[in-house]
Formats: sequence, C-alpha cells, structure tokens
Amino acid sequence: GESVGLHLPTLSVQEGDNSIINCAYSNSASDYFIWYKQESGKGPQFIIDIRSNMDKRQGQRVTVLLNKTVKHLSLQIAATQPGDSAVYFCATTDGGTSYGKLTFGQGTILTVHP
Amino acid sequence: IAGITQAPTSQILAAGRRMTLRCTQDMRHNAMYWYRQDLGLGLRLIHYSNTAGTTGKGEVPDGYSVSRANTDDFPLTLASAVPSQTSVYFCASSDEFSNQPQHFGDGTRLSIL
Repeated sequence: GESVGLHLPTLSVQEGDNSIINCAYSNSASDYFIWYKQESGKGPQFIIDIRSNMDKRQGQRVTVLLNKTVKHLSLQIAATQPGDSAVYFCATTDGGTSYGKLTFGQGTILTVHP
Repeated sequence: IAGITQAPTSQILAAGRRMTLRCTQDMRHNAMYWYRQDLGLGLRLIHYSNTAGTTGKGEVPDGYSVSRANTDDFPLTLASAVPSQTSVYFCASSDEFSNQPQHFGDGTRLSIL
C-alpha cells in the first residue's frame, strides 16, 4: 500500500531563517501532492499543491519541490516567522483507486524562535 | 464566513453509546470527507462522499457510518462507541471528488470511556 512519511519529525529555526520540510512517498503512481499547515486546536489549512507534471511551484513565501525520481517532496518557507510555527503535513493521491483520496504523512513540527 | 462547521467541538462518551458527529458546509462543494487524527498516525480517511446521495469507504471505515442526504450535510455516526475510537475527527470538503485541495473544519475531539 501507499505510504507517505517525513524525514524529520521536528524542526526548530530562528525567525527570519528559511525552513525546509521534507516528505518521502512510496507510490510511484502518485500524481498529486499537497501541503497542509495545522495549528493547535485547528483543522489542517491548505498551503500549496503540485501535480506530477511539474517539479516546482511557488506561492507566497512558500515553494514546493517535487523530485519524482527519488519520490521526494519538500516545502520551503522563506523568512520564517513565529506565526509559521505549526505542524506541517504532506499528502498525496494517485490516479488509481485512491484518486481523490488523500494519504497523509505523520507531520513535522516546526518551531520558530524569535 | 464560508467554510465547514463541525459539532460538537468536544464530547466525552461512555462506551457502547451511539454518537453522531455533525458536519455542514456552505461552499456548495460536491465532495465531503471524514478523517480521524491520532498522534503519530496523521490523518486517516474514514468515509467519503463524492456527491449527494453516494458514499464510499476510506482506509478505516469499521465502526462508522455516514449518510449524504443533501449537498451541505455529512454526519458521521458511531453506532456503539469503543475506546479505540477516541480521536479527533475532521470533516473536509472539496469542489469535486478529484485531485484538488480539501478544506477542513476545526474538528471534534471525542473521548470514549
């Protein structure tokens, strides 16, 4: 079955630094990838997504990179702020039987120190 | 403010009792989902509905049932609660049942004693 995992469960950075959160996936058929941010007591909040026909996508202060060769996904946050402190999840679907269904990784805790 | 409303926000329930978690969205999204979130396991899909009148099983459907009588509402029922169903439950929706972002509510924290 498909699994999605994270290399690092926790990440601590200083305010103003850039943050990189990594995610590995196992299903080579995965064709849609998404990052969520979850603050304490809240539901996951959509950050950015990318489809398998792209290898990079940028948003406001965030960039997602996709390396299909090694089945790796990363989220880069520029000029990290204390408000970025949260748990970050990657999730993926594929075009097969799990089309439209997200499989989530376990999450990375990002802590930003002032 | 448009979005997903879940109720109750938290509940403590005796084992063996029946419980329905409510979820309402006002975005007119066709697809809706229920997830449970447990520490160390991330979010796991329980049931989904790709449009009103249809439902499907996710990764962990046992012990749960859903219905989708209309576009806006997607209740999740635990017919006879067991302690292993202690979790935080999130409802989500998306415009279509396809590869696109799902929008989440703020969850129901459920404790089964």
